[in-house]
Amino acid sequence: DIQMTQSPSSLSASVGDRVTITCRASQSISSYLNWYQQKPGKAPKLLLYAASSLQSGVPSRFSGSGSGTDFTLTISSLQPEDFAIYYCQQSYSTPRTFGQGTKLEIK
Amino acid sequence: QVQLQESGPGLVKPSETLSLTCSVSGGSISSYFWIWIRQPAGKGLEWIGRIYTSGSTNYNPSLKSRVTMSVDTSKNQFSLKLSSVTAADTAVYYCARESGVSASTYPQYYFDYWGQGTLVTVSS
Repeated sequence: DIQMTQSPSSLSASVGDRVTITCRASQSISSYLNWYQQKPGKAPKLLLYAASSLQSGVPSRFSGSGSGTDFTLTISSLQPEDFAIYYCQQSYSTPRTFGQGTKLEIK
Repeated sequence: QVQLQESGPGLVKPSETLSLTCSVSGGSISSYFWIWIRQPAGKGLEWIGRIYTSGSTNYNPSLKSRVTMSVDTSKNQFSLKLSSVTAADTAVYYCARESGVSASTYPQYYFDYWGQGTLVTVSS
């Protein structure tokens, strides 16, 4: 199985801040990397796929980059509704695997 | 707008079989992979497996001996059975759709539609 590791596990930030979350794969996955946002009591929501492609309807303040084993999710200017847990997920092979999540909290 | 809805018992006894169904509305079930994912309280996401509308399946090796997935295209539904459950199987279970877009060597797949999730508790 491909192991996905996110850092940090938690992050405190303020509205308007620029934040970056990192995801590392245990082997090269090319650009087969997706990002999801999950709010309490809700299903995850797809933000980006193929490492950097923005899902329809997702605000442009979300962006992704990376290839191979190292990826980043960047939120350019945090909004109140962005405080949530973020997961990366590889789609290079089965079983699909997720990172452990990064909890983004209000400072 | 595609919508997914999980249904099934919220309480299952240890050693019994967990059975869930996901109903798909607002779109055809055909030509997609359909996914089951679970999330224990306060923990991360675990991919259980997927089924294509042809009936072809891929299961997580960690659960493979206990998992069976099926699809009923006439009802726009797919199902999950997990046998010999223990307390460790207590979780919110999500169904989802896996879509793909063409890429240079292999399609880029992602989970674009999700059900709201259903809590299944394993307890006597």
